[in-house]
Amino acid sequence: EVQLVESGGGVVQPGGSLRFSCAASGFPFSSYAMYWVRQAPGKGLEYVSGISSNGDTTYYANSVKGRCTISRDSSRNTVYLQMGSLRVEDTALYYCARVLQWEVGPDVWGKGTTVTVSS
Amino acid sequence: DVVMTQSPLFLPVNLGQPASITCRSSQRLVHSNGNTYLTWFQQRPGQSPRRLIYEVSNRDSGVPDRFSGSGSGTDFTLKISRVEAEDVGVYYCMQGALWPPAFGQGTRLEIK
Repeated sequence: EVQLVESGGGVVQPGGSLRFSCAASGFPFSSYAMYWVRQAPGKGLEYVSGISSNGDTTYYANSVKGRCTISRDSSRNTVYLQMGSLRVEDTALYYCARVLQWEVGPDVWGKGTTVTVSS
Repeated sequence: DVVMTQSPLFLPVNLGQPASITCRSSQRLVHSNGNTYLTWFQQRPGQSPRRLIYEVSNRDSGVPDRFSGSGSGTDFTLKISRVEAEDVGVYYCMQGALWPPAFGQGTRLEIK
């Protein structure tokens, strides 16, 4: 069964940092690019970051550029998102998703991990 | 950046009736390879998004044929021929032709 399982969310103070993980299973991880997409409470979807299948290319939304690092470990079939200088507006459910072709968007999504940034 | 605008934002529909959602982009979604990259997602209450349609009109595996997509350039439409109870949720369009990818605001479909 194709599966993506996110972890690493939590409650953090403004200015803090978190590292999310997304464990993939049931498909050839190295053949897929991976996305992180977030959804603030009661709001729509927002692309956050993406990484190519071999990890050579990374992309970031303007809203997180300079504060985020995406990486992947093919030996662990896991993709990571390190976020720093967290702001209240980063509060959201963070989804991991797999992408065979960048342009058509994700075909499999995880259930997400929740981040709350609050003092 | 490309801005995606959906309408309506709220769509009450009777069971068995058709439904239509429009998505308009601020730029033409034709990639340098000539393909048009407009994708539709469904998010049922409490669930993760699910891709329904990619490249304007291609249904994903397992998606009922009552869902169809059409359009070109900057104007796109998702149609449901006969709405069923399981179709309740929020529908998003997404463009992937131009960087960065962008989602529409979402259209909430409810049963009247």
